[in-house]
Amino acid sequence: DAGITQSPRHKVTETGTPVTLRCHQTENHRYMYWYRQDPGHGLRLIHYSYGVKDTDKGEVSDGYSVSRSKTEDFLLTLESATSSQTSVYFCAISVGTISGANVLTFGAGSRLTVL
Amino acid sequence: DAKTTQPPSMDCAEGRAANLPCNHSTISGNEYVYWYRQIHSQGPQYIIHGLKNNETNEMASLIITEDRKSSTLILPHATLRDTAVYYCIVRVASGSARQLTFGSGTQLTVLP
Repeated sequence: DAGITQSPRHKVTETGTPVTLRCHQTENHRYMYWYRQDPGHGLRLIHYSYGVKDTDKGEVSDGYSVSRSKTEDFLLTLESATSSQTSVYFCAISVGTISGANVLTFGAGSRLTVL
Repeated sequence: DAKTTQPPSMDCAEGRAANLPCNHSTISGNEYVYWYRQIHSQGPQYIIHGLKNNETNEMASLIITEDRKSSTLILPHATLRDTAVYYCIVRVASGSARQLTFGSGTQLTVLP
């Protein structure tokens, strides 16, 4: 277990409110990712980080911002939540292997409902 | 990254081997084949990966054809807990995270 903790695990909020999801890792991995998963769409990358204060957009970044002020924490913020952001959010870290390939280890997910 | 094709669903009897195919006919020489699975409501879980040679670990075996255009994930003795969606992904080792795409995968149902 790579020691990834997501919080909160479940959240219900109202349209227009800000929401922050936290991903915490305990092993100082450089790369961290936020995905969302919706029925019929599979996993889609929102943002990722390749180091402290180094982040980049994924394929569905509109409406989301991220911050990484320290290696262990990667925060995903919805500045003004909308119903279309109702989803399950997964954080992941990239772990190197002996072969040179990198594999992803995922957190347990955060289920967000925007009413 | 190369596109993969997987059957949408498969059934397997408990205790029997589950063989999940993946077609990746456009794979490049430096792209690895990765398998992940996602049990309902949980985060995806890494299973195995390989480049050219067949690989085996405590969870599964990966058989890659000689031309690397397809592969098969083998769960040697499937249990009910192996019921999940299985994703086959091909990607270069140092590829951008934006290129890591999880398709629809194969829903494996292990039947008692």
